[in-house]
Amino acid sequence: EDQVTQSPEALRLQEGESSSLNCSYTVSGLRGLFWYRQDPGKGPEFLFTLYSAGEEKEKERLKATLTKKESFLHITAPKPEDSATYLCAVPNAGNMLTFGGGTRLMVKP
Amino acid sequence: DAGVIQSPRHEVTEMGQEVTLRCKPISGHNSLFWYRQTMMRGLELLIYFNNNVPIDDSGMPEDRFSAKMPNASFSTLKIQPSEPRDSAVYFCASSLWQSPNTGELFFGEGSRLTVL
Repeated sequence: EDQVTQSPEALRLQEGESSSLNCSYTVSGLRGLFWYRQDPGKGPEFLFTLYSAGEEKEKERLKATLTKKESFLHITAPKPEDSATYLCAVPNAGNMLTFGGGTRLMVKP
Repeated sequence: DAGVIQSPRHEVTEMGQEVTLRCKPISGHNSLFWYRQTMMRGLELLIYFNNNVPIDDSGMPEDRFSAKMPNASFSTLKIQPSEPRDSAVYFCASSLWQSPNTGELFFGEGSRLTVL
């Protein structure tokens, strides 16, 4: 059964304090790994798609990387507006997304 | 673009009552998904439609839940009878199905359901 595990569950950072979020997955034949951002009271919003080990994607202060077993979302010099829950997801055999539990990021000014 | 529109945004009801949640996907999208989000279980896929046809409803918890998509611009998720454990935020998402799947789903803002 496909599984997606995210860690940590919650992360508190000071503004400017860089860190990384982890997404571990076990799937039979990876068909992509996807990162989403979810703000309180809102639906998830798509950030990145990664397809193969070694691939990297960047958007502002975020950089997503992928290995054969996990993905990292690196946050460089975060700002309070980066506070959100970050979700990763993988498609199952039927191409439907299975989401991890998310990491709730809080960046204090 | 108006995005995915869900209604109602909030619903409070009593156990045993029927609940109907509504979704209007983005125009031109041919895939529609219903997800449920709780603190305990995270974001769970309930059912997926492609071209208005239900493809996989294996995530629907039990027979009390049903979903329909009568046309490309409207879908409903119905719970009858509702129970307190159904309390959650229900999200509708749509996408333009491509091969390979890009994973880019467009979510609505959700319907927060509280069953007393």
